[in-house]
Amino acid sequence: GESVGLHLPTLSVQEGDNSIINCAYSNSASDYFIWYKQESGKGPQFIIDIRSNMDKRQGQRVTVLLNKTVKHLSLQIAATQPGDSAVYFCAETNAGNNRKLIWGLGTSLAVNP
Amino acid sequence: DAGITQSPRHKVTETGTPVTLRCHQTENHRYMYWYRQDPGHGLRLIHYSYGVKDTDKGEVSDGYSVSRSKTEDFLLTLESATSSQTSVYFCAISTTSARTDTQYFGPGTRLTVL
Repeated sequence: GESVGLHLPTLSVQEGDNSIINCAYSNSASDYFIWYKQESGKGPQFIIDIRSNMDKRQGQRVTVLLNKTVKHLSLQIAATQPGDSAVYFCAETNAGNNRKLIWGLGTSLAVNP
Repeated sequence: DAGITQSPRHKVTETGTPVTLRCHQTENHRYMYWYRQDPGHGLRLIHYSYGVKDTDKGEVSDGYSVSRSKTEDFLLTLESATSSQTSVYFCAISTTSARTDTQYFGPGTRLTVL
C-alpha cells in the first residue's frame, strides 16, 4: 500500500504486507529528517532518521528513502504487523534552526488482520 | 521515553482560570519544547527553551507563557484559559548530539477548558 501523507491521510494494509508512507517536505534547505510513530493516547515515538547526504537508511523492518530532487521522503515498513497501527509523522529541520522541527500532518496506518 | 514526565496528565478547568503544566526531565538536556496537538493541525510549537532562563516563541505562542528556572523543569502557563486552548499538550527534549536534532516526547497532558 502507498499513501501521500498530506492528501490521503489514511492507509489500510493487510497484516504481512509492506507499507509505504510518503511525505512531501517543504524546505529545500532542510538537511535532517525524522519519522515518528504515534499510538493512540501516547506521545510521538522516534522511529528512524536520515541526513540529507544520504538517500536511504535502514532500521529494523523500516527503511527511509530521501529524494532531495523532488523533496520527497518515504517510510517503508516490511511485513506490517497489527502493532504498527498508528499515525506516522515526518519532520524536517535544518542547521541553525535552533533544533525546531517542521511537522507534517501525519498519515494514519491501519493494519487489518 | 528519555526520562520525561508531564503533570498533570489530565485537567479540566474553566474559562478564565490560570493553568500551569509541568514538564520534568532527568537527563539534563539543554533543549526543551512545548507543543499542542489538535485534529487537522498536527503538532504545533508553542514555546521552546535552549537553556535555563532562555526561551523563545514558537508558531502558536499567543496566550501562553513559559519559564525555565532549572534545567530539569519547563513550565507552560495559560494565564487565562480559553476554550480554544482545549488540546493535548506535549513536552519534548532534544538530544544534544551534533549529528542529530531528534526530539523525544513526554506522554502528554490532555487539557479541557469548559
